[in-house]
Amino acid sequence: SQKIEQNSEALNIQEGKTATLTCNYTNYSPAYLQWYRQDPGRGPVFLLLIRENEKEKRKERLKVTFDTTLKQSLFHITASQPADSATYLCALQGAGGYQKVTFGTGTKLQVIP
Amino acid sequence: DTGVSQDPRHKITKRGQNVTFRCDPISEHNRLYWYRQTLGQGPEFLTYFQNEAQLEKSRLLSDRFSAERPKGSFSTLEIQRTEQGDSAMYLCASRPPFRTETDTQYFGPGTRLTVL
Repeated sequence: SQKIEQNSEALNIQEGKTATLTCNYTNYSPAYLQWYRQDPGRGPVFLLLIRENEKEKRKERLKVTFDTTLKQSLFHITASQPADSATYLCALQGAGGYQKVTFGTGTKLQVIP
Repeated sequence: DTGVSQDPRHKITKRGQNVTFRCDPISEHNRLYWYRQTLGQGPEFLTYFQNEAQLEKSRLLSDRFSAERPKGSFSTLEIQRTEQGDSAMYLCASRPPFRTETDTQYFGPGTRLTVL
């Protein structure tokens, strides 16, 4: 069955450093991979989408890589700030008009001032 | 506020009772999804509507769950004979009419259900 693994342990980093979160998947060939941010008690908020034929995508301080051979995505936040503290969810999406999205368990990031 | 709205935000009920949640998607979004999320887990897909048609329902969803979207606008999710295992956050998301496969989902704030 499809499995999406994210580090279940919280990631604590110092303000100003680069945070790197990992998403690994098995038994899936996604057309797209997405990253969402979720704050406590709120719905996820879309951040970035990367296609299977793209290696890297950037948006402001965010960078996502996608390696379909390793079946892995890395999500980087550079110059991290305490306001970046949240849970980050990786999600896989197939091709086609329906485009069901399957989420990982998320990794909690804590940026320490 | 032009985002996705959900009502109620919190619901506490006793085991065995029925509950109904409402989701109002972003105007003109014809695609609507329901998810369930428990503590420490990511959102789990429950069902999908395109306009008023329910096109997919998770096999994990028991017969006690039913969803409707009668006019292709708002949607309701009903849980009958609630069980303690139904306690979770129920999230709704909407998406605009299909233009590209990269159209994103917009999530509502969720309804937190506690079954005593």
